[in-house]
Amino acid sequence: DSGVTQTPKHLITATGQRVTLRCSPRSGDLSVYWYQQSLDQGLQFLIQYYNGEERAKGNILERFSAQQFPDLHSELNLSSLELGDSALYFCASSPTLDTGELFFGEGSRLTVL
Amino acid sequence: AQTVTQSQPEMSVQEAETVTLSCTYDTSENNYYLFWYKQPPSRQMILVIRQEAYKQQNATENRFSVNFQKAAKSFSLKISDSQLGDTAMYFCAFQGNTGTASKLTFGTGTRLQVTL
Repeated sequence: DSGVTQTPKHLITATGQRVTLRCSPRSGDLSVYWYQQSLDQGLQFLIQYYNGEERAKGNILERFSAQQFPDLHSELNLSSLELGDSALYFCASSPTLDTGELFFGEGSRLTVL
Repeated sequence: AQTVTQSQPEMSVQEAETVTLSCTYDTSENNYYLFWYKQPPSRQMILVIRQEAYKQQNATENRFSVNFQKAAKSFSLKISDSQLGDTAMYFCAFQGNTGTASKLTFGTGTRLQVTL
């Protein structure tokens, strides 16, 4: 158990809908990362937060947004969902900004029908 | 931008044998970190081993070891005495030492099957 908790584990929704994925980092970790894993594109970095502030942005669509709250949990919001958004969404955390190891949650499997 | 390449989509090894997974990367940075992560069918990403680029000594964790060739930008993973529980996707990952962000760049993965 990595200590990173993601909910929900599975989610099925329809095109055009909006969903929110939640991540609780390991106790004491200030940095949270979101990754998308799809069959054809592997693991893609979406966004990173550190202590509530956005620190790095990757290939995140404009329809997606994220935030990190004062209690350090993070949410990834996906809107106007398309079939191609079906993927496994991972959250990871680390204690510092430039640490060498990320601790991953079990992921949220999103299926868009 | 950094890139990570894993040229072996799938590999198979018999139990108790040794297997080597390949990884190459491209970067202009001099100091960075390299990782191998394992993703079993349970799908959670688990760190297997890490290597800091400024350390010349190859990292070792029990049955797992790496062959880090900095000049060649190569970072292979050797699994000795393979066990059925090693069956998983293995991802090579790069992390630059930018000081402001520490995202990982992953390769496309190698699916390893350990057979009896």
